[in-house]
Amino acid sequence: AQKVTQAQTEISVVEKEDVTLDCVYETRDTTYYLFWYKQPPSGELVFLIRRNSFDEQNEISGRYSWNFQKSTSSFNFTITASQVVDSAVYFCALSEAQGAQKLVFGQGTRLTINP
Amino acid sequence: EAGVAQSPRYKIIEKRQSVAFWCNPISGHATLYWYQQILGQGPKLLIQFQNNGVVDDSQLPKDRFSAERLKGVDSTLKIQPAKLEDSAVYLCASSLGLSNSPLHFGNGTRLTVT
Repeated sequence: AQKVTQAQTEISVVEKEDVTLDCVYETRDTTYYLFWYKQPPSGELVFLIRRNSFDEQNEISGRYSWNFQKSTSSFNFTITASQVVDSAVYFCALSEAQGAQKLVFGQGTRLTINP
Repeated sequence: EAGVAQSPRYKIIEKRQSVAFWCNPISGHATLYWYQQILGQGPKLLIQFQNNGVVDDSQLPKDRFSAERLKGVDSTLKIQPAKLEDSAVYLCASSLGLSNSPLHFGNGTRLTVT
């Protein structure tokens, strides 16, 4: 069975600090996708990134970066120079790689950026 | 492009009453999902449609929940009768249905059962 664990329930930092959100996953599939979604107070889930299990290259997009380590089954998300607008709940998710995606979500990490 | 539309935005009902939620996916998206998100938890898949057929409803409590997507476009999710533990946000999502197609989520319907 697939499982995603986000051990950090809540994180609070001061603006401009860097912050890392942890994600550990379990799956028996040899190919799979990993995702991060952002859920602002308005409630919609906003797609941030998808990573294929074959691609262990780290990715950077502006202030966001992702560290995928297959050896430790982790897919961590770092926000550099955090801003108040980054405040949201962040979800890590896992999907099998065949057919239409079927996301299994972690419990989420509530990130609060204080001015 | 227009996003996934859901209505109503909020609903308050008493236990044992029935309720229905509506979802209009992004045009052309073959796959439609209903997720249940209980406060403080991640979303949990209830049912997945491919066009108008059910792909996965293994986590749908079929004694009280039902869903349909009759013409392969809009979908409704119904709860009858509702229980207190059904209080949650019900999220609809859609995708093109390919393995690399991202899911697009609606704003959800927040249900409170009293």
